[in-house]
Amino acid sequence: DTAVSQTPKYLVTQMGNDKSIKCEQNLGHDTMYWYKQDSKKFLKIMFSYNNKELIINETVPNRFSPKSPDKAHLNLHINSLELGDSAVYFCASSRAGTVLTDTQYFGPGTRLTVL
Amino acid sequence: QKEVEQNSGPLSVPEGAIASLNCTYSDRGSQSFFWYRQYSGKSPELIMSIYSNGDKEDGRFTAQLNKASQYVSLLIRDSQPSDSATYLCAVRGNYGQNFVFGPGTRLSVLP
Repeated sequence: DTAVSQTPKYLVTQMGNDKSIKCEQNLGHDTMYWYKQDSKKFLKIMFSYNNKELIINETVPNRFSPKSPDKAHLNLHINSLELGDSAVYFCASSRAGTVLTDTQYFGPGTRLTVL
Repeated sequence: QKEVEQNSGPLSVPEGAIASLNCTYSDRGSQSFFWYRQYSGKSPELIMSIYSNGDKEDGRFTAQLNKASQYVSLLIRDSQPSDSATYLCAVRGNYGQNFVFGPGTRLSVLP
């Protein structure tokens, strides 16, 4: 069983469209994250949710809106897609965001290409 | 601003040699440190975590932490071609703070 799963794996779309990426974890973790990895492979956190509550919201355009219907799911909706949004988006989860020894487990990633 | 720095590489070592990967961080309050391995087109996978000064060994991997120098390293003994990947250093501050990743070092182990 996949611990952290994301759909879709690949997403190709036109500029200006709205799209969503879904993430689910079956590890029983309380905290989930969205990361963006650009073409230079820099992995940067976008959002973090702990038990459905937003705890980290880095400087991300408000075209990006995370939604957590329950603690096992964290979806990412992107409005008005731009060329610069092209990247690989990783979902991750960890047991408890406030524990020192907390470690993250990553999903397989969603490669988004905006044309 | 918290920063994590790594040499981007590529770092090339012959098979069987020791690969040494280095990472420095700017936030003195950082508490936990992680090394991830990322194969091309794949997601990062955790190799080691370390929280106290000194060395921590796990199989062929040894993580070294020196908080005074704000330095963490990863040694890979008996390097194998299958170790060829990008190695990401991640640092976390106090409880509840986010993980900050370095840009990664690309390691190439030559047969």
